[in-house]
Amino acid sequence: GGIITQTPKFLIGQEGQKLTLKCQQNFNHDTMYWYRQDSGKGLRLIYYSITENDLQKGDLSEGYDASREKKSSFSLTVTSAQKNEMAVFLCASSRDSYQDTQYFGPGTRLLVL
Amino acid sequence: GDSVTQTEGLVTVTEGLPVKLNCTYQTTYLTIAFFWYVQYLNEAPQVLLKSSTDNKRTEHQGFHATLHKSSSSFHLQKSSAQLSDSALYYCALRVSSGSWQLIFGSGTQLTVMP
Repeated sequence: GGIITQTPKFLIGQEGQKLTLKCQQNFNHDTMYWYRQDSGKGLRLIYYSITENDLQKGDLSEGYDASREKKSSFSLTVTSAQKNEMAVFLCASSRDSYQDTQYFGPGTRLLVL
Repeated sequence: GDSVTQTEGLVTVTEGLPVKLNCTYQTTYLTIAFFWYVQYLNEAPQVLLKSSTDNKRTEHQGFHATLHKSSSSFHLQKSSAQLSDSALYYCALRVSSGSWQLIFGSGTQLTVMP
């Protein structure tokens, strides 16, 4: 078994601010993901990484940067927070196979004032 | 491109009655895997079912789904809904394109009423 930890749980920012979200996993999984969850829109992929120092853009990468510092950690940066933005950001990880399950963290809830 | 469609955003059912959540997909890839994820309130999504075999029924926690490539569907069903089944359900597709992306549907919020 393993666990995915996301910090912080809640993040309140100001318009235009740069905000960083962090994710750690102890599954020893190769691949890690960042998703954005909005009501009625499902989970949309922002970035993913198949190994340390690798980065791949998802459909929603504009406005975000990511960093895979080591195998166990994956950070996401909101480069310029948008006023009244409210969303949940979910981190996930999986082994390196198309049949393998993705395991999710508990999420970071973002609110921009 | 590849896509997953969940037609119902909200489904309400009475406890003890059957429930079916619809999921269809569109892809040009032949080798695919399908997942149902469930997300309880204030929790992380977790896998409920997964399948990559055509016409084979997969079961877990009283739920079942069968991948039908002929109709591009992977509907989720349960014969008797429980109050504890109330949650957000996502259908997701992964194709063997060399990347490990999951393509999610928009989700169905299931509410089971007493």
